[in-house]
Amino acid sequence: AQKVTQAQTEISVVEKEDVTLDCVYETRDTTYYLFWYKQPPSGELVFLIRRNSFDEQNEISGRYSWNFQKSTSSFNFTITASQVVDSAVYFCALSEAGIYNQGGKLIFGQGTELSVKP
Amino acid sequence: DAEITQSPRHKITETGRQVTLACHQTWNHNNMFWYRQDLGHGLRLIHYSYGVQDTNKGEVSDGYSVSRSNTEDLPLTLESAASSQTSVYFCASSEVGGAGDTQYFGPGTRLTVL
Repeated sequence: AQKVTQAQTEISVVEKEDVTLDCVYETRDTTYYLFWYKQPPSGELVFLIRRNSFDEQNEISGRYSWNFQKSTSSFNFTITASQVVDSAVYFCALSEAGIYNQGGKLIFGQGTELSVKP
Repeated sequence: DAEITQSPRHKITETGRQVTLACHQTWNHNNMFWYRQDLGHGLRLIHYSYGVQDTNKGEVSDGYSVSRSNTEDLPLTLESAASSQTSVYFCASSEVGGAGDTQYFGPGTRLTVL
């Protein structure tokens, strides 16, 4: 069965520290997509990144980077030199293609609440 | 700018009442989704639609219904509200429907059932 686990419920760091948010997923599909969303204190969900199962290249976007490893079924998210504005709940999510690729149903992890203190 | 809106943003109701939460998107997206967010569970899929007249049940569909009469709207109805349905509800949409489509979320509706 498909599942996403974010084992870290809460993380607290001091500004400028690097922090990694873990995401482990389970799926039997060979074609699937992984996502990260950010939910700041204002409550909206902001899309950060999408990765497909055939592309294991790491990605960097400014202070954000993502490490996708199929061998360990992980899609971890690192924030370098964290800032107070990074304080939010971060969700990892999985979407399976299924037989007809009529997917799009997101399976979310429980979320990790990141607190960055000045 | 195209967007996705939800109304009301906050709602308090009583057990047993019927409640409808509105979701409206102006992107002309085929696919629309409803999720609920509860502490410790992340977001869970309630219902979804791949187009007009199409509706499907998600993981936690009991007690909820949706209808899709046009592309822009997917209202979520709680037939007889229960305290267990106190939650934050998010609507989302995506363009085409493949598993790789990015879903864009509305601002959420906080529902309290007393």
